Amino acid sequence: DAGVTQSPTHLIKTRGQQVTLRCSPKSGHDTVSWYQQALGQGPQFIFQYYEEEERQRGNFPDRFSGHQFPNYSSELNVNALLLGDSALYLCASSAGTGDTGELFFGEGSRLTVL
Amino acid sequence: QQQVKQSPQSLIVQKGGISIINCAYENTAFDYFPWYQQFPGKGPALLIAIRPDVSEKKEGRFTISFNKSAKQFSLHIMDSQPGDSATYFCAASTWAGNNRKLIWGLGTSLAVNP
Repeated sequence: DAGVTQSPTHLIKTRGQQVTLRCSPKSGHDTVSWYQQALGQGPQFIFQYYEEEERQRGNFPDRFSGHQFPNYSSELNVNALLLGDSALYLCASSAGTGDTGELFFGEGSRLTVL
Repeated sequence: QQQVKQSPQSLIVQKGGISIINCAYENTAFDYFPWYQQFPGKGPALLIAIRPDVSEKKEGRFTISFNKSAKQFSLHIMDSQPGDSATYFCAASTWAGNNRKLIWGLGTSLAVNP
């Protein structure tokens, strides 16, 4: 049973560029949440997707956008990259938006912005 | 505003010792309290979780103690091993509209010396 898979694992971009990160949820899960984790910090909630719609959003600017596909996979897009966007981006899947908090995380995509 | 306060920020324990990490919360609407373990370069993984209707939950060497009146909960790692060296996050979950919301502590970096 495949867990949460994310791609790419590492990438380097320059300021002003755009990036797309991808996530496939754990089998049987239909909800995907995205988190940003700066070095030495805890995960910060970006947004959550369920039934191809954004259901919740954290305190992130509109430069951060996402999408969920009919097969429940998801993309995170970040436009106009800033140095401060350098972080580990984590995707977590769960079964429905009402899940109590048992999230299954991927290993993340490490983004470096130069 | 940090709704879940976690301490200590870092912890060093000798092999075979007991590691204790504490968390406190304010919002009495929280109804699910998970702990996540994160190794360097990996995503967080659910370790153990508790609901406020029980005062203690044990899974192997890991125990959560929950004090509802004090609004505190803690993770105890018995017979700590070098392989337990990781960052531990407590969290608390509640409803936000029709969705569940997960609030994270800032994490505790645990080092177990051999």
